Amino acid sequence: SYELTQPPSVSVSPGQTARITCSGDALPKKYAYWYQQKSGQAPVLVIYEDSKRPSGIPERFSGSSSGTMATLTISGAQVEDEADYYCYSTDSSGNHRGVFGGGTKLTVL
Amino acid sequence: EVQLVDSGGGLVKPGGSLRLSCAASGFTFSNAWMSWVRQAPGKGLEWVGHIKSKSDGGTTDYAAPVKGRFTISRDDSKNTLYLQMNSLKTEDTAVYYCTTESGIVGATYPDYWGQGTLVTVSS
Repeated sequence: SYELTQPPSVSVSPGQTARITCSGDALPKKYAYWYQQKSGQAPVLVIYEDSKRPSGIPERFSGSSSGTMATLTISGAQVEDEADYYCYSTDSSGNHRGVFGGGTKLTVL
Repeated sequence: EVQLVDSGGGLVKPGGSLRLSCAASGFTFSNAWMSWVRQAPGKGLEWVGHIKSKSDGGTTDYAAPVKGRFTISRDDSKNTLYLQMNSLKTEDTAVYYCTTESGIVGATYPDYWGQGTLVTVSS
């Protein structure tokens, strides 16, 4: 089955740039999406179609994708950005099943 | 404002069945693709399956771990999404989220999320 691979954890100091990667064989042909999940809350979409930002998401969140790797970048990370981040995409089968990466715990301190 | 309210979770024995519901409002439910996503305690997100709008065929697809045991359905007259779970296993224990799916065919993604409902499978 198709898999997306993320690092388990990333740590930065406030004001630094955080980068979270997501690798998958189908990413050259499929969009990546990113979700933020804070403790005890439902996930929130922060990036869609590789690099688009939904309304209400701060400009410090950006996304990019090249080859088999997608990257979520948080420029000038803030303490309130501390959360779990998940990438999402669809497999390249005709059924377009969804798949999430394993998640990355971002620590900002 | 889009609202999704998940309900129906609870404690069930292995081998048992449970039906979850998701009441939708704030958008045209009949035109929407919908999905279920789950999260086991302390673990990551897992896509469970989705159902297309009737105008797009109304078909369903499922992740391998639940295929043949879970069934997603919809009642557009009630703006409600369902997840029928049969032959439940302990590894199905999770918070189940209902979501809308946005995007284009072949590139849909969970967009708006419900608050989740906890399903515990234990003897």
